Amino acid sequence: EVQLVESGGGLVKPGGSLRLSCAASGFTFSNAWMSWVRQAPGKGLEWVGRIKTKTDGGTTDYAAPVKGRFTISRDDSKNTLYLQMNSLKTEDTAVYYCTTVDSSGWYSFDYWGQGTLVTVSS
Amino acid sequence: QSVLTQPPSVSGAPGQRVTISCTGSNSNIGAGYHVHWYQHLPGTAPKLLIYGNTNRPSGVPDRFSGSKSGTSASLAITGLQAEDEADYYCQSYDSSLSRSVVFGGGTKLTVL
Repeated sequence: EVQLVESGGGLVKPGGSLRLSCAASGFTFSNAWMSWVRQAPGKGLEWVGRIKTKTDGGTTDYAAPVKGRFTISRDDSKNTLYLQMNSLKTEDTAVYYCTTVDSSGWYSFDYWGQGTLVTVSS
Repeated sequence: QSVLTQPPSVSGAPGQRVTISCTGSNSNIGAGYHVHWYQHLPGTAPKLLIYGNTNRPSGVPDRFSGSKSGTSASLAITGLQAEDEADYYCQSYDSSLSRSVVFGGGTKLTVL
């Protein structure tokens, strides 16, 4: 059974930093493209970014609102995905979900974690 | 303002059929990019419902179906059940300046 468990959320001041983790199990993590999606309070889903497998180059892509501030990385030896968030703004307040990404051509978000809440406030 | 437009809410009685529309443009759905649909109950993990416009993942009941035409896509739910009450999101890719994954604004389905 695929399991994705996010952690690391919490309260942080504007301008601060936070690192989220996503522990994966139930599938071959090193073969999976991974993504982060967030949902601000009372709002819809918003894509944050994606990382490919090392075999596919390990490249990353980011949504415009977070580009240059957020960094996605992976540790295949630990089956863990990370989201480093710097220069946080109040509008980054959201539940952050870790997802798998189909890489066979559909590019859908196949499995999701339960999410971790990040609150940016002074 | 989402790139993909969905109605904020739809409703139906148990057993009825409802549809949720997702309207895009020639830089996303109309450009041939796949549309995917997700079901989200607040406080839980979102769930993939339809991928590649019309395909159901294993375990998703055939009461759920997807379609796509031109710059729009639709999710249909037949034989509505109380457990279907949730938020539904469409998702695609946009090749305009942002070149990004895009979601619709979401539709709240109420089972009367």
